[in-house]
Amino acid sequence: GAGVSQSPRYKVAKRGQDVALRCDPISGHVSLFWYQQALGQGPEFLTYFQNEAQLDKSGLPSDRFFAERPEGSVSTLKIQRTQQEDSAVYLCASSLDARDLSSYNSPLHFGNGTRLTVT
Amino acid sequence: KQEVTQIPAALSVPEGENLVLNCSFTDSAIYNLQWFRQDPGKGLTSLLLIQSSQREQTSGRLNASLDKSSGRSTLYIAASQPGDSATYLCAGMNSGYSTLTFGKGTMLLVSP
Repeated sequence: GAGVSQSPRYKVAKRGQDVALRCDPISGHVSLFWYQQALGQGPEFLTYFQNEAQLDKSGLPSDRFFAERPEGSVSTLKIQRTQQEDSAVYLCASSLDARDLSSYNSPLHFGNGTRLTVT
Repeated sequence: KQEVTQIPAALSVPEGENLVLNCSFTDSAIYNLQWFRQDPGKGLTSLLLIQSSQREQTSGRLNASLDKSSGRSTLYIAASQPGDSATYLCAGMNSGYSTLTFGKGTMLLVSP
């Protein structure tokens, strides 16, 4: 497709359940990012992939959060034993090559996000 | 650590008014400053990107400025329209790749 695609759009989980959120970046985009956006807040960085390599996971809030991009394309963000504080919109973004100096000034392309509600 | 603040948090104006949204950042060593628009239930749409070497960028009725020395950026919207109603977010890029630090946004309502 032409844009970043995320699925599902909405996810309701009971506390303690595991969830998996999917991101299909724009074809050919080397760099992929996950952000978490709580209600009324700006997005906060979670993790960054360059192809299949996870180069930065400093934003993951706990070891219950795990992300992967095994073939350098589709990425999955997994949250284990969900808690109520995990309720948020999870945004995925991609760019051509975030480490290419000439791409520093290329804007990120965001998906519409997955709204996770933990009850 | 970069911190980004946006003022005001919410703004309501009648159609046709010109308006200014403000963004301030604490770390002036930024590669660029970006403005995004977010509609309810949607992702972010990039509006303008100002490189660190630039002072402003324009796109249609939008003009964004950047003053690194003072740590400020403004987004000017001319002749506002109801379709401009959305949340506007600014974000600074500091590190060696595109990690962005976002403000909390300004929620804009333009009434007919």
